[in-house]
Amino acid sequence: QQQVKQSPQSLIVQKGGISIINCAYENTAFDYFPWYQQFPGKGPALLIAIRPDVSEKKEGRFTISFNKSAKQFSLHIMDSQPGDSATYFCAASKNGGFKTIFGAGTRLFVKA
Amino acid sequence: NAGVTQTPKFQVLKTGQSMTLQCAQDMNHNSMYWYRQDPGMGLRLIYYSASEGTTDKGEVPNGYNVSRLNKREFSLRLESAAPSQTSVYFCASSERRQGNGYTFGSGTRLTVV
Repeated sequence: QQQVKQSPQSLIVQKGGISIINCAYENTAFDYFPWYQQFPGKGPALLIAIRPDVSEKKEGRFTISFNKSAKQFSLHIMDSQPGDSATYFCAASKNGGFKTIFGAGTRLFVKA
Repeated sequence: NAGVTQTPKFQVLKTGQSMTLQCAQDMNHNSMYWYRQDPGMGLRLIYYSASEGTTDKGEVPNGYNVSRLNKREFSLRLESAAPSQTSVYFCASSERRQGNGYTFGSGTRLTVV
């Protein structure tokens, strides 16, 4: 019940295309859903986050779509660029707590 | 602003040796965390410190100890390293719980042979 399942494991997208990464959770107490971006040799960096009171949040080319009834959320990267090539992690936590649960990660490669 | 600084960046240990991973943050954050990252498993919480003077176990605490030395510093100790502890270790901090997300350090790549 504490897991966050992320798919796909890896993704190849053409430059200018849309990258979509999906996550599913079981614990309905989760109330904060961030996405992190990690480049090789670096630590993860917060990209965008959403709370379950909204169904979508957009920041530039990055959008989170949230489906509370299905317990799923996804990251959409519009107009994907080679510089977006990185590993992306979804995550979830409950009640503003300290134990954030991370998905297994998706390696995105954007072909020029 | 340095953010979260981890030392060392790389380390090779022999089985049974001990070492301490150091972490310091300069953002005046209350909470600090240690995660390990393994291929295909995402990041797993080892220990966290909600505030100065407190520490608690995460998902995978066995074989590790921590010390919250002061508000800035949070160290992770391996008393007797095992090959299963080969991993990349990340320290993170957050302002209050994690409502604003975490700031991660750049990691320590540890190999136990």
